[in-house]
Order: sequence, then C-alpha cells, then structure tokens
Amino acid sequence: GAGVSQSPSNKVTEKGKDVELRCDPISGHTALYWYRQSLGQGLEFLIYFQGNSAPDKSGLPSDRFSAERTGGSVSTLTIQRTQQEDSAVYLCASSPSLAGGLGNEQFFGPGTRLTVL
Amino acid sequence: AQSVTQPDIHITVSEGASLELRCNYSYGATPYLFWYVQSPGQGLQLLLKYFSGDTLVQGIKGFEAEFKRSQSSFNLRKPSVHWSDAAEYFCALGTYKYIFGTGTRLKVLA
Repeated sequence: GAGVSQSPSNKVTEKGKDVELRCDPISGHTALYWYRQSLGQGLEFLIYFQGNSAPDKSGLPSDRFSAERTGGSVSTLTIQRTQQEDSAVYLCASSPSLAGGLGNEQFFGPGTRLTVL
Repeated sequence: AQSVTQPDIHITVSEGASLELRCNYSYGATPYLFWYVQSPGQGLQLLLKYFSGDTLVQGIKGFEAEFKRSQSSFNLRKPSVHWSDAAEYFCALGTYKYIFGTGTRLKVLA
C-alpha cells in the first residue's frame, strides 16, 4: 500500500514569507508526527497528533510554527515569517498506535527540504 | 531524563569487514528501541526494533542488534558490510514519540 507522502519535496522561500508543508499519512494511522532534521541539530521532535488533537506540541521551536490535522488524516505544518534558521528537512511520520501507545513503529515520509533565502 | 547517545559521528570500514554502531540510552523503564537507516536523499527506513523478549534482535539487510540492560546499550552489528550500506544510521528511543540519537554516518571503502 501507499506510504507516507509529503509535499512539496523541496521548497525555496524568501525570509519573511509563510510556508505550508503537507503530510498524507498511511490510511488508518491514528498517530502523526512532525520532526525536523537540520545540520548540527539531528532529528528533533516537533509535534504529535493523536487523531485531530495535538497532546504534545512541546517541540515547536517558536510561535511562528503551527500545525493542524483534519479528518484524522492530512496534516499541515505552517511556518510564518520564515527565518534562515528554519532551513531544514521536515519529516512526517505516522503510526497505527492507540492513544498513549508506547514504542509504536513510525513510518516516515521522504521529507520536505525547506530552504529560506 | 530520556536520551539517546550515539558516540560515533563517523565510522569508516572496508567492504567485507564487520561493523558495530554504538547506541546508549537513558530511560527509567523498559525501553522500546529502534534502529533506522537513512540513505542520501531518502527517508528513514526501519532496520529493526526491540520491545521485549530476546535481547538479540534480527533485522533487515543482515543487521542485528543486542539489547544490554546492564550497559543501557543497543548496539547495531553486521558481520560483513556491503558498499550499499553506506548511509546514516539513527538509534531511537520510542515513547509515544521518538527520541533520536545524533546519528552515525557510515562510509564503506571498496
């Protein structure tokens, strides 16, 4: 079956512009995650959705970052007023976990490479 | 505190040689541990996972990992490395989210 898909695969934007990154999880997966991968920072957790709610937003680096999930499926990560330090690969993952499940295997998308000029 | 440490940032081995990538974790309960591989320009692919039971876990592509509670380690091994194994390897601690190590970049010499 289809895996996790993300769009766009690459995004180049100018400093100060807003960007939206999209994630389509595997059908039926209730949990969805956003991570950021940048040089020198490794893979950082951003936000976790269980269904449409986000019980953990602790990884969002500033209030310029927000995310939503609709219909228990597609998620959008929005970065407002982008800065150069936002340049990174943004990875989405989904998991068939039950609420609060521990150690559930996550399936990752190919990522969106964001470059802020 | 929950954390994962991969002490080796870069490792270089010759093709056909054995490989061991180190991973240490800090967690207050029984850990759920994963190894992922990321090839250049690719997403993360799961190699293997440890939940409980046998401490030696077999994965894909000939990889295995051994869980040692006494050493808080989950090292990844492969008896004979192939050139196609060149990639970055991440160890992760699974709670409801992943806590990743910083990764080990593997270079394979022909």
